[in-house]
Amino acid sequence: GQNIDQPTEMTATEGAIVQINCTYQTSGFNGLFWYQQHAGEAPTFLSYNVLDGLEEKGRFSSFLSRSKGYSYLLLKELQMKDSASYLCAVMDSNYQLIWGAGTKLIIKP
Amino acid sequence: GAVVSQHPSWVICKSGTSVKIECRSLDFQATTMFWYRQFPKQSLMLMATSNEGSKATYEQGVEKDKFLINHASLTLSTLTVTSAHPEDSSFYICSAKDPVSGSQQETQYFGPGTRLLVL
Repeated sequence: GQNIDQPTEMTATEGAIVQINCTYQTSGFNGLFWYQQHAGEAPTFLSYNVLDGLEEKGRFSSFLSRSKGYSYLLLKELQMKDSASYLCAVMDSNYQLIWGAGTKLIIKP
Repeated sequence: GAVVSQHPSWVICKSGTSVKIECRSLDFQATTMFWYRQFPKQSLMLMATSNEGSKATYEQGVEKDKFLINHASLTLSTLTVTSAHPEDSSFYICSAKDPVSGSQQETQYFGPGTRLLVL
């Protein structure tokens, strides 16, 4: 079967760094997405990785290792507004999205 | 966790035809389902909120007569793209709220998406 695993909840301190991991087992791979979703709102696109390595975009970076079926989202200089759910999704060989359940990130002052 | 399915996964159609996309919650009852559209490398854009037994609520700029939504049962919502044109080509994703598992934060489960290509 196809599976995406990510932690249910994480807590971090304002100004710190947090890494949210995502592991996947899918039938084929056509890229991995990270989305941010605030409560009651639609998810917003953060990053897309299809090749191994680190993609940096401001305070957010996303890493992919296809051989390990592993990705992480790194958030630096955490701000209170970063409190949200972070969704990992993989596009399989049929170009269907397999969604993780999301990681709820709580930022404390 | 809860599972949401969509059918079909891929649709290729001629301009002017209508296309129906189904969204099903497989192991829970969803009183509310959402329809999103996503263009390449852009955020999901909420199109409408579908409530079982009542009319859908459309977001500003989304044509009600073009994107018909029917939420006839607690496990099924359909989106029909009427008289599709090439500019309607996009990735359509549905999600459903599971009122049982939801905690303080609304819990949405997303479908795998339907890729529509209008020629």
